[in-house]
Amino acid sequence: NAGVMQNPRHLVRRRGQEARLRCSPMKGHSHVYWYRQLPEEGLKFMVYLQKENIIDESGMPKERFSAEFPKEGPSILRIQQVVRGDSAAYFCASSPTGNYGYTFGSGTRLTVV
Amino acid sequence: GEDVEQSLFLSVREGDSSVINCTYTDSSSTYLYWYKQEPGAGLQLLTYIFSNMDMKQDQRLTVLLNKKDKHLSLRIADTQTGDSAIYFCASSPGGGATNKLIFGTGTLLAVQP
Repeated sequence: NAGVMQNPRHLVRRRGQEARLRCSPMKGHSHVYWYRQLPEEGLKFMVYLQKENIIDESGMPKERFSAEFPKEGPSILRIQQVVRGDSAAYFCASSPTGNYGYTFGSGTRLTVV
Repeated sequence: GEDVEQSLFLSVREGDSSVINCTYTDSSSTYLYWYKQEPGAGLQLLTYIFSNMDMKQDQRLTVLLNKKDKHLSLRIADTQTGDSAIYFCASSPGGGATNKLIFGTGTLLAVQP
């Protein structure tokens, strides 16, 4: 089992471009979570998805951010028109049941220049 | 809202015990977690405790939970240089269909040889 796979590991975007972050959950896991870690801060919840459904997006900024977890393929976190304040590490986690025991990926470090 | 607080830094000598403390605000948290993050890496689940337990021991790790004071601690016995990392406490606020975690800002553990 390869664990939670995130790609790319590092992503550099110019202001105004789009960033697409991918997360493949562990095999058999149908619950996916996205968290953001700003420099020298803890992780902040963004969104919780199951296949084809957004369960809780209470942590997502109202504009420019969207997430999906299609029936086939990885979960995608999309940030449109990136700004410098979007620079952070974005972590994906998955779990089989939505209960305890997340497994985190290694994260995507987004730098906006 | 829900909040989790930790001290920012702890320095110990190799072979000593480390105790990392955490307080949380949501009394309905069903599980409380400790995660370890090494530089440039994702979060590794170290251990967790269910809210009806006072203590959980797992090899060198001991978790103590004082539910009345909403205080959680992680004790690492015989601390090694490989234990140097950031340790995050996280709570899982109860209720609702989501299982988002609320993370503290992390405690940097520095182990001196």
